Amino acid sequence: NFMLTQPHSVSESPGKTVTISCTRSSGSIAGNYVQWYQQRPGSSPTTVIYADDQRPSGVPDRFSGSIDSSSNSASLSISGLKSEDEADYYCQSYDSSSLWVFGGGTRLTVL
Amino acid sequence: QVQLVESGGGEVQPGRSLRLSCAASGITFRNFGMHWVRQAPGKGLEWVAAIWHDGSNKYYADSVKGRFTISRDNPKNTLFLQMNSLGVEDTAVYYCVTDRSDAFDMWGQGTMVTVSS
Repeated sequence: NFMLTQPHSVSESPGKTVTISCTRSSGSIAGNYVQWYQQRPGSSPTTVIYADDQRPSGVPDRFSGSIDSSSNSASLSISGLKSEDEADYYCQSYDSSSLWVFGGGTRLTVL
Repeated sequence: QVQLVESGGGEVQPGRSLRLSCAASGITFRNFGMHWVRQAPGKGLEWVAAIWHDGSNKYYADSVKGRFTISRDNPKNTLFLQMNSLGVEDTAVYYCVTDRSDAFDMWGQGTMVTVSS
């Protein structure tokens, strides 16, 4: 079974760019798609990135996703940070053994 | 628009049972695989169970296997989660979520389950 490890928290100033990492413990990060979900306080999660780097309609292009096979990790980058981006972010992937797995979540604070 | 409305949550004593429901509208429910995902207070997201669009296959997290049963009624556009032998560790908000290529797509607002003596 694999795990996805995220930093517990990150913080950055408005207008800057922040990157959140998600490292897969075993198996290839490229073997199954990675998704990213945003959860604002008191709300249900919503998808900001699916299939590694695809943005759902309505998600601003300030959000981007990527994977890096050399570090076996995925990343979510948010540029031009706004106060409304302050939320918890979860990565998620799947394989046929572990089934659906979430990372532990990263709290983003916009200073 | 799409609506997933969970119900059936509440407070229950350890060892008892509870049945959650999720009423779907605005989608062709029978075409979608469905999941239950939970979130304990102040904690992260945990996948609980999944069911294929036609109910032919079901999958469970190890933490609930043998205690929880996922099912669906396609003509009534409803998803269920039967939860037996509940423990304090099952206290969480339970979300009903549609599947999209092994990812989570549309989420309900959640229903709170509290297991306490």
